[in-house]
Amino acid sequence: DVKVTQSSRYLVKRTGEKVFLECVQDMDHENMFWYRQDPGLGLRLIYFSYDVKMKEKGDIPEGYSVSREKKERFSLILESASTNQTSMYLCASTLVGGGQFFGPGTRLTVL
Amino acid sequence: QKEVEQDPGPLSVPEGAIVSLNCTYSNSAFQYFMWYRQYSRKGPELLMYTYSSGNKEDGRFTAQVDKSSKYISLFIRDSQPSDSATYLCAMSVSGGSNYKLTFGKGTLLTVNP
Repeated sequence: DVKVTQSSRYLVKRTGEKVFLECVQDMDHENMFWYRQDPGLGLRLIYFSYDVKMKEKGDIPEGYSVSREKKERFSLILESASTNQTSMYLCASTLVGGGQFFGPGTRLTVL
Repeated sequence: QKEVEQDPGPLSVPEGAIVSLNCTYSNSAFQYFMWYRQYSRKGPELLMYTYSSGNKEDGRFTAQVDKSSKYISLFIRDSQPSDSATYLCAMSVSGGSNYKLTFGKGTLLTVNP
């Protein structure tokens, strides 16, 4: 079975803190994605990566950056957390031409 | 017009009912179609994956794609309380190396014992 893991299930941070969310997949997938999910807005793509050290902006990249130094690991960075970044963050990975497999999510609260 | 439209529900059915979930879309270039199930406070789980038009069956689940009408469906037979979840449709233009998914906002389904 494909396994996508995320570093934390729940996270509470303060405004202005730098926040790291980490995602690891164990199936040698090329593509990895970061989304946020908010009630009424659905899933929105923040960034994605189709290879090591490659990244592309999604629909809502402002306030976020990413890092992919190894194929299995994709990190989302909130440079200076703000209250409007309180959300459920979901990581996904996929092979070329396949469906995306999601991790369990990190529920981030910024106070 | 939104690219993908999905009725948010909520949809409430008795156990054993046949459930029909639907999405419409506007981009005729979509070729790959997926259904996800998401339990409360969990990540989405891939249920069905289809390419182009036609039907695909997996156990109690059947996915249908009608590209001429830009309409996709998921049918659940003999629905169970464990099927209670939010169902998301998703689709993409490309299956290639940098493809992105466009999601519906999800339909909340409750199956009552």
